[in-house]
Amino acid sequence: QKEVEQDPGPLSVPEGAIVSLNCTYSNSAFQYFMWYRQYSRKGPELLMYTYSSGNKEDGRFTAQVDKSSKYISLFIRDSQPSDSATYLCASRYNQGGKLIFGQGTELSVKP
Amino acid sequence: DAGVIQSPRHEVTEMGQEVTLRCKPISGHDYLFWYRQTMMRGLELLIYFNNNVPIDDSGMPEDRFSAKMPNASFSTLKIQPSEPRDSAVYFCASSTPTGLGNTIYFGEGSWLTVV
Repeated sequence: QKEVEQDPGPLSVPEGAIVSLNCTYSNSAFQYFMWYRQYSRKGPELLMYTYSSGNKEDGRFTAQVDKSSKYISLFIRDSQPSDSATYLCASRYNQGGKLIFGQGTELSVKP
Repeated sequence: DAGVIQSPRHEVTEMGQEVTLRCKPISGHDYLFWYRQTMMRGLELLIYFNNNVPIDDSGMPEDRFSAKMPNASFSTLKIQPSEPRDSAVYFCASSTPTGLGNTIYFGEGSWLTVV
């Protein structure tokens, strides 16, 4: 079993839709949770970062972590075609340690 | 500021040849990571360094792979001999342990094709 599991999709939604992306993880020692966005033929870039459980909001993006169920979510409101990319969830045990990624979910937002 | 710089961006080589991928991390970053990305396996951590010292190489697939970091501004990932199943995108990334929300900055990747 992979330490971080993510449905690879692809996921296709119309412009303006609310998008929900989800991951599960198996190791309760994970403390830091991130979402990375990767455009085609580019390296991943950090989108959202949370520590332990809770919500974090940044513009149209909301990240949620539920440590009791080992569930990580990313919500995108009013999705735009420019949001079309692969979204990767990631977790790590501590600051500076290795970052374990999910498989990535390919999202396409149609105009 | 320059980001993580990787070279070459694209490499096509024949099976059995040696491949060397290069990485210059962001200045001041003391962690350096090598990842490999394929459609089947996603983004996998191969090895990471802290202050030029390898900390965890458990992701290195086999002895054909080796990585070095001779100084704080340079690292190499070498595959010898290369095989078609090594075809993938290899990413180098760097970070500080307490930098901006634990951000790990990735390079643009080295696209390797072994024929």
